[in-house]
Amino acid sequence: DTEVTQTPKHLVMGMTNKKSLKCEQHMGHRAMYWYKQKAKKPPELMFVYSYEKLSINESVPSRFSPECPNSSLLNLHLHALQPEDSALYLCASSQGSFMNTEAFFGQGTRLTVV
Amino acid sequence: QQQVKQSPQSLIVQKGGISIINCAYENTAFDYFPWYQQFPGKGPALLIAIRPDVSEKKEGRFTISFNKSAKQFSLHIMDSQPGDSATYFCAASKQGAQKLVFGQGTRLTINP
Repeated sequence: DTEVTQTPKHLVMGMTNKKSLKCEQHMGHRAMYWYKQKAKKPPELMFVYSYEKLSINESVPSRFSPECPNSSLLNLHLHALQPEDSALYLCASSQGSFMNTEAFFGQGTRLTVV
Repeated sequence: QQQVKQSPQSLIVQKGGISIINCAYENTAFDYFPWYQQFPGKGPALLIAIRPDVSEKKEGRFTISFNKSAKQFSLHIMDSQPGDSATYFCAASKQGAQKLVFGQGTRLTINP
């Protein structure tokens, strides 16, 4: 099973709303990632969790707040987003702590900020 | 030096033909080169990956060719099918890195 499950698949939120994206994997992977992807562009790394600890924050605005409750779950809390934050948000996981091993992406959450 | 340059940006191939997408890199520390396939509205799916100790890797109709001296690698799709129409991303990473460096993507269209 190489599945990374993300919920919800689609989300529309107002600029004053608070919402959360969820990601789950049961492959025993110890590293989990949040990526943001705009149309016709490659994914851009946002955060990396390694062994449930935040190891990379790519200078992401504080309106995005990641959380890793356990080794299988990853959340992304959203608050006071801007319309330009509308994008496909992707979760990924990898076997090792580093990205030079197989990494698998979820199907993404299509976020629209209105 | 962290870039991966991918070409072409878009590619149209007839059904049954060979699709070829190329990537070039500068950082000789890169030691892992995956290719991802992405359909509209879906997440990238790992297609095939190669390490520098081999020059070619084949999985079904998909082959990666790797040229270490030229710092280039390419994806070949044999007998291309309409269902292969998608965006393809090459990427690179290295030991100790927690980040994939992606190419800019190639939008492949297979005409029936």
